Amino acid sequence: EIVLTQSPATLSLSPGERATLSCGASQSLSSSYLAWYQQKPGLAPRLLIHDASNRATGIPDRFSGGGSGTDFTLTISGLEPEDFAVYYCQQYGSSQITFGQGTRLEIK
Amino acid sequence: EVQLLESGGGLVQPGGSLRLSCSASRFIFSNYAMSWVRQAPGKGLEWVSAISGSGGTTYSADSVRGRFTISRDNSNNTLYLQMNSLRAEDTAVYYCAKDRGRIRPVNFDIWGQGTLVTVSS
Repeated sequence: EIVLTQSPATLSLSPGERATLSCGASQSLSSSYLAWYQQKPGLAPRLLIHDASNRATGIPDRFSGGGSGTDFTLTISGLEPEDFAVYYCQQYGSSQITFGQGTRLEIK
Repeated sequence: EVQLLESGGGLVQPGGSLRLSCSASRFIFSNYAMSWVRQAPGKGLEWVSAISGSGGTTYSADSVRGRFTISRDNSNNTLYLQMNSLRAEDTAVYYCAKDRGRIRPVNFDIWGQGTLVTVSS
């Protein structure tokens, strides 16, 4: 099983600032098979990024993904009030899908 | 609008069984793999099981293998999860999720609203 470790666990920032979230994999992900999701309280997750750097349909361009191998990042440039939520990374390098434990992005 | 609607959740005793359903609409159901993903109260996301678009191949997490069975009815655009030998640690909101791929689970672009399963005596 590929283990994903997200850091930090909690990130406190102000609207307008830039957020950088990290996701590390226990083994290299072939073809950058990594996705990012946003989840708000009481709602289902929403796909933001797939294949490490491709924005999903309808996702604003302030969200960007990068990285390869075992180290990946999600960057949110210019935080909007609606961006404060929990973010999860997910790998699909193997058919045993795993998620990271999440990063909570909170308003400072 | 593409939509997934889960049903079948509820309270069940340890060792009991439950079947979840997920009704899909406004996309070609058989063209996509489908998954179940769960979230225990206050916890993160855990992938449970997936099935290919044709229904011919299934995948399961180690935590549920041998107890849960995923299936689909492409003629009725419905996904199922049969859960047997339920344990307290299976308590979670269960989400049905549409995959972007057809053959194996990759990533999930459409999610249902979730259905709560509570395993307790």
